[in-house]
Amino acid sequence: GENVEQHPSTLSVQEGDSAVIKCTYSDSASNYFPWYKQELGKRPQLIIDIRSNVGEKKDQRIAVTLNKTAKHFSLHITETQPEDSAVYFCAASNGESSGSARQLTFGSGTQLTVLP
Amino acid sequence: EAGVAQSPRYKIIEKRQSVAFWCNPISGHATLYWYQQILGQGPKLLIQFQNNGVVDDSQLPKDRFSAERLKGVDSTLKIQPAKLEDSAVYLCASSKRRDFNTGELFFGEGSRLTVL
Repeated sequence: GENVEQHPSTLSVQEGDSAVIKCTYSDSASNYFPWYKQELGKRPQLIIDIRSNVGEKKDQRIAVTLNKTAKHFSLHITETQPEDSAVYFCAASNGESSGSARQLTFGSGTQLTVLP
Repeated sequence: EAGVAQSPRYKIIEKRQSVAFWCNPISGHATLYWYQQILGQGPKLLIQFQNNGVVDDSQLPKDRFSAERLKGVDSTLKIQPAKLEDSAVYLCASSKRRDFNTGELFFGEGSRLTVL
């Protein structure tokens, strides 16, 4: 099955600096890569996603890049703010067109702390 | 729009006891998921329903875990008997579509289980 590894497990940055979280996946059939943000004691929420036919996607201060050849994808947050402090999870899904359900496999999470 | 509702939020039980969690998805969402999130790890899929049918339960420990979604709306997840390693947050999620690639997962706030 799919295996998603996420690094680093913890990341501290100064407010205004950039943060980068990296994930690798094992299943070359995976073609959908979402990122979820989970604030302390709250539910995970989707913040951005990317499909395998796209190399990069941006949404204001966040961006995701995908390297299919190397099987890794990254989350980039620019101009970090204290409210960006949370646990971030990457995930990968294989893209079978029919039949059995797709599996969404999550990474182990990165605790991002933005220091004021 | 009301979000995914889960109850109870917290539960403490002794090992070998039983526990049940309830989930009510977002209205109109056909697909419902139960995830197990152990502290410091990413969510792991236990079971996926499409309406009232099971689509994927390959990672559900069927000797002690069971889940149902009888009328295709709300769902219950039961653990009997509980083990210490079942201590985790049980997250319910729903989506409009079966396909991860086109459907964002909306998570509930989770049910935190502590097994003593």
